Amino acid sequence: DTGVSQDPRHKITKRGQNVTFRCDPISEHNRLYWYRQTLGQGPEFLTYFQNEAQLEKSRLLSDRFSAERPKGSFSTLEIQRTEQGDSAMYLCASSSNFPERGGPNKQFFGPGTRLTVL
Amino acid sequence: RKEVEQDPGPFNVPEGATVAFNCTYSNSASQSFFWYRQDCRKEPKLLMSVYSSGNEDGRFTAQLNRASQYISLLIRDSKLSDSATYLCVVNRAAAGNKLTFGGGTRVLVKP
Repeated sequence: DTGVSQDPRHKITKRGQNVTFRCDPISEHNRLYWYRQTLGQGPEFLTYFQNEAQLEKSRLLSDRFSAERPKGSFSTLEIQRTEQGDSAMYLCASSSNFPERGGPNKQFFGPGTRLTVL
Repeated sequence: RKEVEQDPGPFNVPEGATVAFNCTYSNSASQSFFWYRQDCRKEPKLLMSVYSSGNEDGRFTAQLNRASQYISLLIRDSKLSDSATYLCVVNRAAAGNKLTFGGGTRVLVKP
């Protein structure tokens, strides 16, 4: 399977704990996006990378959130001092700049990490 | 006001019937338009891109009206397997191609 993968698929944590999620994009996709989805809503953009550079962060991404993509391949999203309001599905997507690989518009999503903060 | 708005539904559709629904977008600079399908507790999956001239993919037809800033999706001969949430999505190259999603329209196809 050469799709986007995310780990873990589910995470239950207590309020105040730190959590880290990992995303492995489709091989050779240079763009990687993080979105968050709460129940009954569409996904909302959090941040994106082009290769290893983080080019934009949403206002939704408070100081407790940090994302990295150190080698331009996999990415991690860390949430520090989790709050109950952080409970959501965290989705990762990747795309390629090259038209023959779908182009930047076509984003392929991973299965998501479902976070529950107790 | 949300940038992309959709009727949340649900649209209850008899099997074999046709269903159509719209979404509206507020940013006139939006360049690309998509419909994604999302099954319960799964990730969104691209259903189809939406082109200015309208386009069809099997039983699915998408239309774009730039003047009125709305996008539509029509499903013909509905199957039970079409039951899902349909997400209307727009993006702009100037915004890094990040996707802006509507809240989704839930469709339930019943026998």
